[in-house]
Amino acid sequence: QKEVEQNSGPLSVPEGAIASLNCTYSDRGSQSFFWYRQYSGKSPELIMSIYSNGDKEDGRFTAQLNKASQYVSLLIRDSQPSDSATYLCAVNHGAGNQFYFGTGTSLTVIP
Amino acid sequence: SAVISQKPSRDICQRGTSLTIQCQVDSQVTMMFWYRQQPGQSLTLIATANQGSEATYESGFVIDKFPISRPNLTFSTLTVSNMSPEDSSIYLCSLAGVGETQYFGPGTRLLVL
Repeated sequence: QKEVEQNSGPLSVPEGAIASLNCTYSDRGSQSFFWYRQYSGKSPELIMSIYSNGDKEDGRFTAQLNKASQYVSLLIRDSQPSDSATYLCAVNHGAGNQFYFGTGTSLTVIP
Repeated sequence: SAVISQKPSRDICQRGTSLTIQCQVDSQVTMMFWYRQQPGQSLTLIATANQGSEATYESGFVIDKFPISRPNLTFSTLTVSNMSPEDSSIYLCSLAGVGETQYFGPGTRLLVL
């Protein structure tokens, strides 16, 4: 099984702050990277995908990818209490569209 | 994006029995997957459900324990056989979307007593 590692947290940030979530992966052949949000008792929902080095912004979310360092991150600007959830990093190695997930980081945004 | 439904949404089962979980998609999709999420854990891929051929299982998962059917491009089933309390988990189906993304169904919450 390929490794995808995340800090499990919990990570707490005050409302309005920037939350920074990090993920490393072991397979240099990995091609696609994803961030999912999972609320308690719910299934994961896709937030961001990133395929090339650099930053990708979508609203309050920015994904950053550095393939040389095998590192992908998610920044959440102006954090809201509704952002409180577990964030899962997923990596696609490109073989058969198989995803490998990290263990997730629990984020709490404090009002 | 496609709408994914799963049945049942939850169940409580006795050890030694089997449960079949259904996954229905409102459009044809090429690739469907089954995952398990044990309490407090992340998602683990069980198998890829292939239409018209046997499923492809990940290491640690076998067909006798988790038989999978994929009779057409909109439907798949996962059976959890001869259940034990260790099988208590959330079982999720997913489909491959555009750009190698995956989208998940609502999940089936299984408790084995």
